[in-house]
Amino acid sequence: EADIYQTPRYLVIGTGKKITLECSQTMGHDKMYWYQQDPGMELHLIHYSYGVNSTEKGDLSSESTVSRIRTEHFPLTLESARPSHTSQYLCASSVTDNEAFFGQGTRLTVV
Amino acid sequence: QKEVEQDPGPLSVPEGAIVSLNCTYSNSAFQYFMWYRQYSRKGPELLMYTYSSGNKEDGRFTAQVDKSSKYISLFIRDSQPSDSATYLCAMRRMDSSYKLIFGSGTRLLVRP
Repeated sequence: EADIYQTPRYLVIGTGKKITLECSQTMGHDKMYWYQQDPGMELHLIHYSYGVNSTEKGDLSSESTVSRIRTEHFPLTLESARPSHTSQYLCASSVTDNEAFFGQGTRLTVV
Repeated sequence: QKEVEQDPGPLSVPEGAIVSLNCTYSNSAFQYFMWYRQYSRKGPELLMYTYSSGNKEDGRFTAQVDKSSKYISLFIRDSQPSDSATYLCAMRRMDSSYKLIFGSGTRLLVRP
């Protein structure tokens, strides 16, 4: 079983608040990802990291930012939450490009 | 038009049935093909991946790729109620290491 953890699992927050979604993995994987998933829709990559201090934006335009200071930790931050940010956010990690391990997800609701 | 199309279902079958789940795609450059299973309120879990064309079998699951038709399939034999989940296909080009393109998923319900 994959050891990748996301907190919180559920978050309801007011518009304009700053939030950080946490993601940690204990497998020592260099590659980590953040995906956004709306109900019944595809996963869309919003951020990618291939190692410490190396991050890239994904295909989906996102107002979030990420950091990768430690191999095991890949937090995602929204400086000012809006209702349009309501979604499920999934973190993943991998050694190869074909075998990603996903966390349980954070379901974010911005009111 | 989406690069990867997947019938959303739901697909309802009796226990023990053979299930066929499918995706079509438009980009002939895709070389790696994956199937993920996602239970409600959980993250996706990789079932298997294949490279280029052909079949791959793992227990009750068989993945099939037909690049000439741009069509991939996942077969589940002897389906169980525990197989009830959403099945996502994903694929990537050889030259785009981290950019997986996902289908929107097919919801499967296996009735006891």
